[in-house]
Amino acid sequence: ETGVTQTPRHLVMGMTNKKSLKCEQHLGHNAMYWYKQSAKKPLELMFVYNFKEQTENNSVPSRFSPECPNSSHLFLHLHTLQPEDSALYLCASSHTRDRGAYEQYFGPGTRLTVT
Amino acid sequence: AQSVTQPDIHITVSEGASLELRCNYSYGATPYLFWYVQSPGQGLQLLLKYFSGDTLVQGIKGFEAEFKRSQSSFNLRKPSVHWSDAAEYFCAVVSANQAGTALIFGKGTTLSVSS
Repeated sequence: ETGVTQTPRHLVMGMTNKKSLKCEQHLGHNAMYWYKQSAKKPLELMFVYNFKEQTENNSVPSRFSPECPNSSHLFLHLHTLQPEDSALYLCASSHTRDRGAYEQYFGPGTRLTVT
Repeated sequence: AQSVTQPDIHITVSEGASLELRCNYSYGATPYLFWYVQSPGQGLQLLLKYFSGDTLVQGIKGFEAEFKRSQSSFNLRKPSVHWSDAAEYFCAVVSANQAGTALIFGKGTTLSVSS
């Protein structure tokens, strides 16, 4: 595997379900991100992790719970979601700021539908 | 606050014609700027980036962008568009957040290519 991978690619879940999204990066980066992309809205940053530590939580509801066990893996745990949470969830990774490289590399996304 | 504006929501260009997608930014310091492309159902792919130096930067797939500080712009150009260029294009600027390298994205411009 190369780059940033995300599983599953598609997920349909009911409002009472619990599920998790997985992201893995093979680029040697130390920062990872979750973004939400809804129709007709700009990309919304949800969470930022630097060296496994959460450094930003962009006022995301508690029904979204991130986990970063190491610099290569990032999870987004989902529970009691609402229909408006249906969106494309994108994971990205980058070097940290001290490396002087700011570009992020994105995975293909997980298309989530909440019924 | 930092922001990115892409004035054109949707542009249609004939195959073989030239293309220019507009991007304006608001940023307090020297900006780090990016263009990404997203094909339907896919993640974002980095086209090019500007950090410093030459204000005309070359990217992949024949794209280039010019940084104009006086106009706070970073417009994307391609001399001859191919049907495979039809996609959504996002301009982004790096956040001044010291914690990480989060990007602020514009709302995107959808490019359609007519034959």
